[in-house]
Amino acid sequence: EDQVTQSPEALRLQEGESSSLNCSYTVSGLRGLFWYRQDPGKGPEFLFTLYSAGEEKEKERLKATLTKKESFLHITAPKPEDSATYLCAVQEAIQGAQKLVFGQGTRLTINP
Amino acid sequence: DGGITQSPKYLFRKEGQNVTLSCEQNLNHDAMYWYRQDPGQGLRLIYYSQIVNDFQKGDIAEGYSVSREKKESFPLTVTSAQKNPTAFYLCASSIAGGHSNQPQHFGDGTRLSIL
Repeated sequence: EDQVTQSPEALRLQEGESSSLNCSYTVSGLRGLFWYRQDPGKGPEFLFTLYSAGEEKEKERLKATLTKKESFLHITAPKPEDSATYLCAVQEAIQGAQKLVFGQGTRLTINP
Repeated sequence: DGGITQSPKYLFRKEGQNVTLSCEQNLNHDAMYWYRQDPGQGLRLIYYSQIVNDFQKGDIAEGYSVSREKKESFPLTVTSAQKNPTAFYLCASSIAGGHSNQPQHFGDGTRLSIL
């Protein structure tokens, strides 16, 4: 069974203090790994899709990387507005359907 | 603006009552999905639909039902058989299912509580 584990569950940083969030996965055939940002009381907002090991994507202060077993979301010099829950999901290789398996998320808080 | 609209934002259910959550999208997406989110847990798939008049059970379909009569709409009914319905319900859509690895886009959710 495909599984996604995110760590840490919660992370508190000072403004400007860089760090990384981890997403470890086991999947029979990876068709895509997705990162989302979720603000309280809102739906997840799409950030990145990664398809193969070695791939990297960047958006403002965020950079996502992918290996065969895990993905990292690096946040550089974060600002308070980067505070949110970050979700990772893998797409299962099931014919005829795009099924996503989500991790439980990392709740990131950036203190000013 | 294109997007996914979920309503209502908050919903209360009485014992023995069925309630229906609305999801409408104007993104012209073929595939639509319903997820349930509980505190400290990842999103779990309830039902999904790849085309009109067709849908499949996800991982936690018991106590729920759906319909897909129009491409734009995918309502979810939480029946009285769902004994623990309190949760945040999220609707999503994507360009296509199957071999597509296009991202799913989400609405802003409906929070369901028991009276």
